Amino acid sequence: KAGVTQTPRYLIKTRGQQVTLSCSPISGHRSVSWYQQTPGQGLQFLFEYFSETQRNKGNFPGRFSGRQFSNSRSEMNVSTLELGDSALYLCASSLELATVGIQYFGAGTRLSVL
Amino acid sequence: DAKTTQPTSMDCAEGRAANLPCNHSTISGNEYVYWYRQIHSQGPQYIIHGLKNNETNEMASLIITEDRKSSTLILPHATLRDTAVYYCIVFSGANNLFFGTGTRLTVIP
Repeated sequence: KAGVTQTPRYLIKTRGQQVTLSCSPISGHRSVSWYQQTPGQGLQFLFEYFSETQRNKGNFPGRFSGRQFSNSRSEMNVSTLELGDSALYLCASSLELATVGIQYFGAGTRLSVL
Repeated sequence: DAKTTQPTSMDCAEGRAANLPCNHSTISGNEYVYWYRQIHSQGPQYIIHGLKNNETNEMASLIITEDRKSSTLILPHATLRDTAVYYCIVFSGANNLFFGTGTRLTVIP
């Protein structure tokens, strides 16, 4: 069974631009969660989608948004990029909601904002 | 909301048992303790989870105290490939998927 796939692996953008990241979950998994990881901050939860509905949301500004498609694939969008958005963005899929199920993580997308 | 505290870093000699502690004094009765690890430049990997009984799988053992206020992850024979950041997590409700900064375990040859 294929694991969680995130594309692209690396991105370089400039301030003010927007970016879209993609995550394909493990087949059969209905939950996709997104996390931001920066040095010293640990993994910070962005949001979770389950069956195309946003179920949970972390404490991030509205510039961060996401969606989930009927095939459970998910995209995350960041608008008006800031230097502080440079981070490793990880997605995780699980059979059940992330709060009760085991999460399987992708390798992440490393975003650099210049 | 339940929250966990872990030491920032630990060392362990190769071949010895690595014991990683975690405090979760505000854990509620129906909340599980999960452990994940993140090897450099990779996504986190699930290790084990438990509610109140000790658990063991092919990767590790999880010992949870009787009052459930703390737990210990045990890697019985640490190898260099176990060098990673280990996260102890209690998911307390829908809006608290918080991993924190974990314990950086360094296995020394």
